[in-house]
Amino acid sequence: DAGITQSPRHKVTETGTPVTLRCHQTENHRYMYWYRQDPGHGLRLIHYSYGVKDTDKGEVSDGYSVSRSKTEDFLLTLESATSSQTSVYFCAIRGTGNTYEQYFGPGTRLTVT
Amino acid sequence: AQSVAQPEDQVNVAEGNPLTVKCTYSVSGNPYLFWYVQYPNRGLQFLLKYITGDNLVKGSYGFEAEYTKSQTSFHLKKPSALVSDSALYFCAVRPNAGNMLTFGGGTRLMVKP
Repeated sequence: DAGITQSPRHKVTETGTPVTLRCHQTENHRYMYWYRQDPGHGLRLIHYSYGVKDTDKGEVSDGYSVSRSKTEDFLLTLESATSSQTSVYFCAIRGTGNTYEQYFGPGTRLTVT
Repeated sequence: AQSVAQPEDQVNVAEGNPLTVKCTYSVSGNPYLFWYVQYPNRGLQFLLKYITGDNLVKGSYGFEAEYTKSQTSFHLKKPSALVSDSALYFCAVRPNAGNMLTFGGGTRLMVKP
């Protein structure tokens, strides 16, 4: 999985609680991405980062925030989890060079009850 | 805005037969096109990409993809399917500017013995 780890791998939480998911990479890639995967929707981009402290919104950013205080870590926070945020969350990095392919972590399965 | 369509939710093929998984896209400019595969409970794995050059690109595990500009299509192909090819396949596109990919909804490939 391209030197990318995600934690936790599974989490069950209650509606209204805050949740933080962590993505860690070991290869000093500049670009990092958070996606969610839902049946029938493929992968949808939540937020991405193009450097330390540099982030931007994706297609489905409402209800999510991100932070990147160091190159290797990209955090995704659900400030107040809702059942609609039950999903599988994937982190990705962009490969080096100008070919733009992305490499994905193993995913975090989040269930909001 | 760019979009990707994978018109078939599922493709069924017998082992040893050729397979095709379809993808069409809408994007401004010259696209960068990608195929990914996802096995159960795993992250997406990069298979192949088209950026420029030969319209038939070869990738991992014996897969190839044909880019047809006139039809804005990028179909994934394999001459002889294996049962182990059974998985979820995603097509993705990057327009000629930007750092994000847009993914299709995915096609489940089932290869039967």
